[in-house]
Amino acid sequence: KAGVTQTPRYLIKTRGQQVTLSCSPISGHRSVSWYQQTPGQGLQFLFEYFSETQRNKGNFPGRFSGRQFSNSRSEMNVSTLELGDSALYLCASREDRGQGYGYTFGSGTRLTVV
Amino acid sequence: AQSVSQHNHHVILSEAASLELGCNYSYGGTVNLFWYVQYPGQHLQLLLKYFSGDPLVKGIKGFEAEFIKSKFSFNLRKPSVQWSDTAEYFCAVLMYNNNDMRFGAGTRLTVKP
Repeated sequence: KAGVTQTPRYLIKTRGQQVTLSCSPISGHRSVSWYQQTPGQGLQFLFEYFSETQRNKGNFPGRFSGRQFSNSRSEMNVSTLELGDSALYLCASREDRGQGYGYTFGSGTRLTVV
Repeated sequence: AQSVSQHNHHVILSEAASLELGCNYSYGGTVNLFWYVQYPGQHLQLLLKYFSGDPLVKGIKGFEAEFIKSKFSFNLRKPSVQWSDTAEYFCAVLMYNNNDMRFGAGTRLTVKP
């Protein structure tokens, strides 16, 4: 099976702009989660989607949003970018068929806001 | 609020030393527990997981972890580390009832040759 694919790998944006990140999960995985990774903060949970519905949401402002399509692909959008949004954004998918199924992570999109 | 705590931010060991990384969580319901590793420049990889049965689980590369339910802990261990174990290690807890998966802040392990 192909892994979790995130595009683009790198992005540089300026403050105030908006950005859309894409994630293609492993085939058959219907649960997709997004995390923000920064040094010292670890992985902060953004949101999780399952069957096109947001199932869980972390403590991020409304500038961070996402969606999931019928083929389980997911996008994450950040509007009105701030310098503090610079981070590695990770997407992870899992089978969600009961206990024991962990996440498989993509390589991430490194976003730099200048 | 549910949380995952990793007590050691940075651990420095010499090769062949034993390793134990602490992980505690605050959630009273059924959990699945994971340790992930992130080698320099690479993506997160699953090291091992626990979801039921024997609380001592073995993972890849000689790592193991023990789930102690009464202490809400899932500590990672390795009897003898190698230079190639230099990486960042993340503990994660999946709260089964709401499918909410949270990570600790990570522990950076540096193994000196």
